[in-house]
Parts: sequence; structure tokens; C-alpha cells
Amino acid sequence: QVQLVQSGAEVKKPGASVKVSCKASGYTFTSYYMHWVRQAPGQGLEWMGIINPTGSSTTYAHKFHGRLTMTRDASTSTVYMDLSSLRSEDTALYFCARENGPHLYYFDQWGQGTLVTVSS
Amino acid sequence: QSALTQPASVSGSPGQSITISCTGTSSDVGSYNLVSWYQQHPGKAPKLMIYEGSKRPSGVSNRFSGSKSGNTASLTISGLQAEDEADYYCCSYAGSHSSVVFGGGTKLTVL
Repeated sequence: QVQLVQSGAEVKKPGASVKVSCKASGYTFTSYYMHWVRQAPGQGLEWMGIINPTGSSTTYAHKFHGRLTMTRDASTSTVYMDLSSLRSEDTALYFCARENGPHLYYFDQWGQGTLVTVSS
Repeated sequence: QSALTQPASVSGSPGQSITISCTGTSSDVGSYNLVSWYQQHPGKAPKLMIYEGSKRPSGVSNRFSGSKSGNTASLTISGLQAEDEADYYCCSYAGSHSSVVFGGGTKLTVL
């Protein structure tokens, strides 16, 4: 069955970077776009960005420009989300999500979420 | 890109029907038939309930339906059940530069 398994919780200091992984299984990894979505405590879902099936193209939400990098490794079927210059407002649950597209922009599979806490 | 507008909360009794609205603009909901809806229970990942405005994934009850009129999309849940109590989020494609936008979420309470 399709699974997206994310890396474990992280605690980071302000100004640091965090890299979250999302390992896919049960489907052809190189055929699907992947997205990252985050959810601050008690808040709604916020779209962060998208990476294409080959990893050659990414689009990030404007508010993350310059701080966010998404990559993927076909050899391990893993997608990565790297967020730098962390601040307290980045404390959130981060989800990877598979787009059942292409270009349909809906998410049929989700990872379990990775809690990133930014605190001094 | 501003979030889509949803009511903060809705409620209904078992067996009743409720509708959750999702208002966007002509740059997102109004321009594309790419609205999706997600159900999220506390502490869980979101679950896809509706895609492309009105399509239901395999395994999702036919009590859930979606529609769109102009810049507003809607999710209707008929025959409310206790397990429907959750947060619901709408989501829309917003063009190549803004890509994707979510609604603020609606908390559904089954009385």
C-alpha cells in the first residue's frame, strides 16, 4: 500500500535550519509531484511548495522564498524539505503530501507529520 | 495570496445535512475546477474527501458531495454521523505563481 513516512520530531534554535525527510513506498516515486504543507499549533493548513517528479523544478509559496529548499532522491524514494533561518513562528507540524496529478493539485496521500519546534 | 474564506464553525444533529462554504476569488476558486476538500481529526493527517470540485475518492462515503458556483465552493455532508465531527479544509489551485491556497478551516460539531 502507498505510504509516506516522515522523519522524527526536531527541536531547533532560532536562526538554525531544519531538514525533514519523507520516504515513499508502494508506488512509482518518480511519477508524482510532491508538496509540503505545514500546520502551526491550533491553526489551519498552509501550503509551502511543490517539487516535480524529477526534482528539476520547484515552486515555493512567496512567504518562504529564500528560506525553503525542496529536493528529492529517486534512489531512496525520499523527498526533503529544508527550511533555514528558523524563527518561533515556524513551529509547526510539517506534512509531505502526494499530488495525484499531474497538475490537478489535490493530495491523496499524506505523511504522518513531523513536529518542528523552534525555541531558544 | 490570501487564504480562502471558510466559516470558523458549523454544527448539526445526527442525520441532518450541513454545508460548508469556501469563498475565494476569480484568481483561484473562480478560475479553476481544482478545489479539493480535506477532513482532519485531532492529531491526524488530513484526508482527501473531494477533488476537482465534486469528485469523490474511492472509499469516501457518498454522503459527502462538493459543488461550486462562481468564486465559492461548497462541501455538503448529508446524514450527519458522529464520526464526521472534525475540521474541514478547502483547497484551490491559484495559478502558476501562487500555486495552492487553503481555507482557514471549519470545525464541524455533531450535536
